[in-house]
Amino acid sequence: NAGVTQTPKFQVLKTGQSMTLQCAQDMNHEYMSWYRQDPGMGLRLIHYSVGAGITDQGEVPNGYNVSRSTTEDFPLRLLSAAPSQTSVYFCASSPIPGTQAAGELFFGEGSRLTVL
Amino acid sequence: AQKITQTQPGMFVQEKEAVTLDCTYDTSDPSYGLFWYKQPSSGEMIFLIYQGSYDQQNATEGRYSLNFQKARKSANLVISASQLGDSAMYFCAMRDMNRDDKIIFGKGTRLHILP
Repeated sequence: NAGVTQTPKFQVLKTGQSMTLQCAQDMNHEYMSWYRQDPGMGLRLIHYSVGAGITDQGEVPNGYNVSRSTTEDFPLRLLSAAPSQTSVYFCASSPIPGTQAAGELFFGEGSRLTVL
Repeated sequence: AQKITQTQPGMFVQEKEAVTLDCTYDTSDPSYGLFWYKQPSSGEMIFLIYQGSYDQQNATEGRYSLNFQKARKSANLVISASQLGDSAMYFCAMRDMNRDDKIIFGKGTRLHILP
């Protein structure tokens, strides 16, 4: 079972470079989201999506773009990387809550990004 | 606005003792869900337990139980008979079911189980 797949797992960028973190899920989940994890800050929501064609900003969206053209994929783009974006990034998906599902998040393994 | 607060950055507990990890939340939405996740040193996020805002009874999953006090807006995680493998970061999270469905997390509590 693949679940949620994130790539790459590690990346080093120079300030000003751009990159895309890929995220794919094979569970047909409507909800997908991106978080960043920094020491002492917990997981902070960057962007999320409740379905294909729909995205919304989370708690810390500045410097990041997302799109959701399919149910399966939810890439996160850094247009001009900054050292403040050095972090561990998690992609997560969940079913919409209902009688059969609590709506808990299923996480990818994380991507460690360093911006020099 | 939604808010999750975990006030214990770190805790040390003797093995086999019970431990309570605190979580308070704030939301104006009457329909919401509360979750706890464990993150061991290996980094993966492990779902532990869920409580819905309309659930009448506290959720339990094996050694984990959620002490849900709706009027006080608290959702504390109780781990009974702690084990060395329980040493990890623990995160409380909340999902607003009606408004925008987003899920936010607290800052976490690092739990150390002492032999």
